[in-house]
Amino acid sequence: EADIYQTPRYLVIGTGKKITLECSQTMGHDKMYWYQQDPGMELHLIHYSYGVNSTEKGDLSSESTVSRIRTEHFPLTLESARPSHTSQYLCASTPRGTDTQYFGPGTRLTVL
Amino acid sequence: AQRVTQPEKLLSVFKGAPVELKCNYSYSGSPELFWYVQYSRQRLQLLLRHISRESIKGFTADLNKGETSFHLKKPFAQEEDSAMYYCALKGGSGGYNKLIFGAGTRLAVHP
Repeated sequence: EADIYQTPRYLVIGTGKKITLECSQTMGHDKMYWYQQDPGMELHLIHYSYGVNSTEKGDLSSESTVSRIRTEHFPLTLESARPSHTSQYLCASTPRGTDTQYFGPGTRLTVL
Repeated sequence: AQRVTQPEKLLSVFKGAPVELKCNYSYSGSPELFWYVQYSRQRLQLLLRHISRESIKGFTADLNKGETSFHLKKPFAQEEDSAMYYCALKGGSGGYNKLIFGAGTRLAVHP
């Protein structure tokens, strides 16, 4: 089924661990995005990609990194998690020719 | 600076009452604005965009450039309208599809 998936949905991890948040979409969308959202606050764009091998940083400075080796896959990595990284991370994608963003279910990350 | 402001964190109304969710923006160019909605246990999804001038689920939103506002309105609220509503502005430069979101307003419609 055409959709956008995020795994894990919830993650509790200790400080200093390396983590990768997965985002995959089976809709063939070119553009993909990562947003960070603290409770009750705005969504902030942290990374985006126009297509394969294209990645750019968003408005909010983030210590995370992303890669786009395949169209459908846009993982986000934190090399050394810290409590300040505790947040919800939302992945989204946009098909070519439109500006509608389709969101995944999100990953809620807690770093102890 | 590009910014979206939703002044109300919570809007609580009774079923059948009119609803207006406020959104103000700051943008130097010609704005494109959207409303996204997140129902309980569902994903964030597009509700409507100002360019389409459409009514979705009874909701409408008019862009007022003079007041830099894009308020979301519905004449008669239903319980199923209870959700988080986010106003978003298409901004950035270079042609990429960047959205700037407000902090959101939770609409609670009581029976």
